[in-house]
Amino acid sequence: DVKVTQSSRYLVKRTGEKVFLECVQDMDHENMFWYRQDPGLGLRLIYFSYDVKMKEKGDIPEGYSVSREKKERFSLILESASTNQTSMYLCASSFFFFIQGASSATNEKLFFGSGTQLSVL
Amino acid sequence: SQQGEEDPQALSIQEGENATMNCSYKTSINNLQWYRQNSGRGLVHLILIRSNEREKHSGRLRVTLDTSKKSSSLLITASRAADTASYFCATDASGSGAGSYQLTFGKGTKLSVIP
Repeated sequence: DVKVTQSSRYLVKRTGEKVFLECVQDMDHENMFWYRQDPGLGLRLIYFSYDVKMKEKGDIPEGYSVSREKKERFSLILESASTNQTSMYLCASSFFFFIQGASSATNEKLFFGSGTQLSVL
Repeated sequence: SQQGEEDPQALSIQEGENATMNCSYKTSINNLQWYRQNSGRGLVHLILIRSNEREKHSGRLRVTLDTSKKSSSLLITASRAADTASYFCATDASGSGAGSYQLTFGKGTKLSVIP
């Protein structure tokens, strides 16, 4: 059974701490994503990666960084946690789908982890 | 970045009825996807429809796509209490570059199916 595993289900941290959220997928997917989900705002993309050591900013990258040293692992780092980073964090992964006749690719379906509910006090 | 917008925000129906949710988006896409989320959990993929497709079925799910209106609908037939969840549409952006890798989600429709 395919799996995306997030290291923690619940996490409580103090303001100013450095926080690491880990995500591992076992499907050999090229693409990996970090989203945050807040009530009334839906899912917002923080960062994504389409290859090892490659990263692209999403819609809300400020205050976050990422690391992808191995294909199966994508880490989200909060350099100095703040209370406005209290949220549900969702990791996802997918294969590329290469668009016939075009010089581009898009995503196949995303597989999501169970999420990490982070509280910053 | 573009974003799908689901409508309605919330929907409450009786078990056995059909549920219809709509999604509108702003710019051209390669594909549109629908996901389901049970409370406090990760999202689960339901169905993907490509820009050259008009309708797709999967079990009790029927998805339509109208690229001229930039809209999609998700129909769940003969709903069950277990269908209670939030439903999200997600779109990419057609064309080359990182935008086509980026999947953008709407805010979701919260469906309640009353037994």
